[in-house]
Amino acid sequence: QKEVEQNSGPLSVPEGAIASLNCTYSDRGSQSFFWYRQYSGKSPELIMSIYSNGDQEDGRFTAQLNKASQYVSLLIRDSQPSDSATYLCAVTSNRDDKIIFGKGTRLHILP
Amino acid sequence: KAGVTQTPRYLIKTRGQQVTLSCSPISGHRSVSWYQQTPGQGLQFLFEYFSETQRNKGNFPGRFSGRQFSNSRSEMNVSTLELGDSALYLCASSKGNEQFFGPGTRLTVL
Repeated sequence: QKEVEQNSGPLSVPEGAIASLNCTYSDRGSQSFFWYRQYSGKSPELIMSIYSNGDQEDGRFTAQLNKASQYVSLLIRDSQPSDSATYLCAVTSNRDDKIIFGKGTRLHILP
Repeated sequence: KAGVTQTPRYLIKTRGQQVTLSCSPISGHRSVSWYQQTPGQGLQFLFEYFSETQRNKGNFPGRFSGRQFSNSRSEMNVSTLELGDSALYLCASSKGNEQFFGPGTRLTVL
């Protein structure tokens, strides 16, 4: 089983709708969870961090964590064309504190 | 506050050569991590340095090495380059759990 799994997409969402990105992880002891956005040709940019079960909101972004299900998600409300990018889920390994990245989900917002 | 800087931004080398990449972290950040990113494998962890010591290492061959200086600047070296080493090499600095990436060095091996 891969350590951090994401659907590669592309996920196409109409402008103004809610985009929902999902990620599962295998290390049950993981404590820190991150979402990065990566535009084509650019480096990843940290957009959300979440450390405890529940929701963490920042503007149009909401990260959701469910440790029992080993599942973390990112919701983007009122999606804009500028949200079109690859979104990387990252999880800190409980064994050695390394940050493990998923391969990312490509999101395409349709104008 | 200045972000993470990496030099050079682009490199073209031939098989068998070696290359050194440089990373300057955000001021005050003592941890520097290196990643290789390719379309097929995604972001793969190479190693992490903290206070001049390698704290973690990924599953890469010994041709990949790194070091960190007392001012937290870090370098990574790849010897005996192979075609498969063509990738975007990213450096990230952190002060806690959150990592902040530099713009990367695009390495092409011919």
